[in-house]
Amino acid sequence: EAGVAQSPRYKIIEKRQSVAFWCNPISGHATLYWYQQILGQGPKLLIQFQNNGVVDDSQLPKDRFSAERLKGVDSTLKIQPAKLEDSAVYLCASSRDRGGETQYFGPGTRLLVL
Amino acid sequence: AQSVTQLGSHVSVSEGALVLLRCNYSSSVPPYLFWYVQYPNQGLQLLLKYTTGATLVKGINGFEAEFKKSETSFHLTKPSAHMSDAAEYFCAVTEPGYSSASKIIFGSGTRLSIRP
Repeated sequence: EAGVAQSPRYKIIEKRQSVAFWCNPISGHATLYWYQQILGQGPKLLIQFQNNGVVDDSQLPKDRFSAERLKGVDSTLKIQPAKLEDSAVYLCASSRDRGGETQYFGPGTRLLVL
Repeated sequence: AQSVTQLGSHVSVSEGALVLLRCNYSSSVPPYLFWYVQYPNQGLQLLLKYTTGATLVKGINGFEAEFKKSETSFHLTKPSAHMSDAAEYFCAVTEPGYSSASKIIFGSGTRLSIRP
């Protein structure tokens, strides 16, 4: 079974530029998560999708971050405009369903904002 | 509200020694508890999880954890450390069920170093 795929693996941009990350979850997984992991910290949930609907986006900075999940499969997370404090690893995870199911993580995208 | 506290941001042990990584949680309902491991430049990998039933949970790579409700703890142990165990370890908690609280809250992580 293929794991969670993410691209790109690394990205360097200047502040005020825009950037997008892509995630392809494990086939058949209904729930998809985007996390932000700042160096030295645990992952923080940004947004959670159930199929193509948003379940929780309470910690997503909506003035600059947006995310969508097309047809309940792939997902894209966008930052526009980026700030220095957005430098982090962005992790995508998926699970069969929510309600405490095990989450499977992708390798992450490491973003550096200069 | 759920929360997780990992005591010790960095733990160093000798190869062959006991590994003990501490985790305490708070939850308003019986929780599900997880330990994840993160190797450099990789995503998180599930080591083990507790949902219901037996409170001593065995995971991969020889790790195990015990759910102690009275102490609100879920400490991770391994009898004999191996060099390959060097990584970042995260404890996490979630409230089971299909509510808005069913999201996983992660601790801040413990970096485990192994001395030769």
